[in-house]
Amino acid sequence: GAGVSQTPSNKVTEKGKYVELRCDPISGHTALYWYRQSLGQGPEFLIYFQGTGAADDSGLPNDRFFAVRPEGSVSTLKIQRTERGDSAVYLCASSRTPPDTQYFGPGTRLTVL
Amino acid sequence: EDQVTQSPEALRLQEGESSSLNCSYTVSGLRGLFWYRQDPGKGPEFLFTLYSAGEEKEKERLKATLTKKESFLHITAPKPEDSATYLCAVRFLGGSEKLVFGKGTKLTVNP
Repeated sequence: GAGVSQTPSNKVTEKGKYVELRCDPISGHTALYWYRQSLGQGPEFLIYFQGTGAADDSGLPNDRFFAVRPEGSVSTLKIQRTERGDSAVYLCASSRTPPDTQYFGPGTRLTVL
Repeated sequence: EDQVTQSPEALRLQEGESSSLNCSYTVSGLRGLFWYRQDPGKGPEFLFTLYSAGEEKEKERLKATLTKKESFLHITAPKPEDSATYLCAVRFLGGSEKLVFGKGTKLTVNP
């Protein structure tokens, strides 16, 4: 695949449940970013990985949100005890090496009922 | 606080009617200003990066320019397929590699 891929494309869950969102970056890209986009808003930064480590997690809203990238490629965003306010599109982006251009995936639309 | 403001929020044009979108920013040390296009239900698609005042980039009917406080995305003779939301983002000193986005301008081009 040539681009960033994200799964699932849609996720509906109930308040209080745990969810995992997956991102496959472009092959060879060392940097990976997570953003969250609410309706009518621009994407909002969550966390940035350089290799396996989180270089900046200042955008994670609280300790219910956690992300990993154990082998420096695929990343998983984990949300515990979901709340209705977590409903949004979660976007993943990757870049070759910062400060290269960030290329975005199609997003995962999360709906918390 | 660092901010990116885009105007107008929405713009409706007739096919062939040229116009400009604005992105103003207040950041402490710009390390790049980015334009993306976003179609409904899709992720942002990269268009341009600008780094310094006076720089210009062009692609088909789009031209992006940058000054010390704002950027313009000029659309010349737009077509209906140019309809999309255009997002502006900045990267700034002390902000790691994260992008700070504006809310976007929703462009509709009528045939």
